[in-house]
Amino acid sequence: DGGITQSPKYLFRKEGQNVTLSCEQNLNHDAMYWYRQDPGQGLRLIYYSQIVNDFQKGDIAEGYSVSREKKESFPLTVTSAQKNPTAFYLCASMAGAYQPQHFGDGTRLSIL
Amino acid sequence: RKEVEQDPGPFNVPEGATVAFNCTYSNSASQSFFWYRQDCRKEPKLLMSVYSSGNEDGRFTAQLNRASQYISLLIRDSKLSDSATYLCVVKEVGNRDDKIIFGKGTRLHILP
Repeated sequence: DGGITQSPKYLFRKEGQNVTLSCEQNLNHDAMYWYRQDPGQGLRLIYYSQIVNDFQKGDIAEGYSVSREKKESFPLTVTSAQKNPTAFYLCASMAGAYQPQHFGDGTRLSIL
Repeated sequence: RKEVEQDPGPFNVPEGATVAFNCTYSNSASQSFFWYRQDCRKEPKLLMSVYSSGNEDGRFTAQLNRASQYISLLIRDSKLSDSATYLCVVKEVGNRDDKIIFGKGTRLHILP
């Protein structure tokens, strides 16, 4: 089945540690996105990529980094510079400009 | 004015009733519209796209009013399983990048 796979489902970070969230899709979509959702809040865009080897900052990119070396993969690194990383992280992909986004089932990140 | 606005609710509705909610958007150049549902602690899932002529999918009807800049979602014969948060999404398709704006959602509780 085609879809978006995020891993791990739950992740715990120690102070000063970088952690990487995985996002893989087999939908052959060009565009991929990372969002953060805090309890009771809407989705906020962290980074997005329209094509391999290119990505753009979203509204809240500080403290995060991404790479897009393969079409299928768009990992997100939460760096130690992100002082409040506890949130629900959602990865999405999209087939084209007028198409809807499809989401992975998310990663919950907490601080130890 | 916020780019995309939704009544946060909650809407408490008895099972079997009809419920409708709106989503207003500020940019008249917006081109694509969608409704998603999000269950507690889960990822958003596409419910339906919203077409200019209005569209229906079973008990759900979506409409677009470009003149007044809002989209609506109507749920007929509501079920307990319809309890969720409903997110509207508005897309502005640009030459280089698309802008995808999520509303913060409307919470719906269907009461037995």
